[in-house]
Amino acid sequence: EAEVAQSPRYKITEKSQAVAFWCDPISGHATLYWYRQILGQGPELLVQFQDESVVDDSQLPKDRFSAERLKGVDSTLKIQPAELGDSAMYLCASSLSGDGYGYTFGSGTRLTVV
Amino acid sequence: AQSVAQPEDQVNVAEGNPLTVKCTYSVSGNPYLFWYVQYPNRGLQFLLKYITGDNLVKGSYGFEAEFNKSQTSFHLKKPSALVSDSALYFCAVREWAGSYQLTFGKGTKLSVIP
Repeated sequence: EAEVAQSPRYKITEKSQAVAFWCDPISGHATLYWYRQILGQGPELLVQFQDESVVDDSQLPKDRFSAERLKGVDSTLKIQPAELGDSAMYLCASSLSGDGYGYTFGSGTRLTVV
Repeated sequence: AQSVAQPEDQVNVAEGNPLTVKCTYSVSGNPYLFWYVQYPNRGLQFLLKYITGDNLVKGSYGFEAEFNKSQTSFHLKKPSALVSDSALYFCAVREWAGSYQLTFGKGTKLSVIP
């Protein structure tokens, strides 16, 4: 069964350092999503791509977060500088089209900022 | 107001008993509703969805959900709980915010007691 790959699985970083997460969606999936899940809460959408274009980044804290999907395939989410409040699970999901269902999630990256 | 609400932070049920995890929604039009399950330090796994048609939807691992338009609810059910069902359960609704997106509830922790 096809999977969404994410790396690293776990990341510990010091406050004010830069950190990056990588996601490789299911082959052929045009839509890619990055969600942030704070402990005890549901996932919240950070950014949505359709191919290489950003469709929605209204909830992305752009002063410190950036996301790219240069060739419309894999994607990188970056935080610089990291803050204590960024500690969370970062989930990537993909879907065949942007119709809002049929998501497949990756296993996530657990970020701890110390 | 939240688009989707899960009123219970935690549900405890004895193994073999029926389980219900509650979800209510507040979106206009015909809702697209979903249930996902999350095991510790893992991504979200799709259980089932309601798009249209029969109000009783059957999904993975013996789970089902009942769509009730008059009560704006989409409760997750299983006739006989297993210890292995213990996990976090998330209800989600598809919303239009310039693009189709899934908005998640805050989650309900299900504990099945042997």
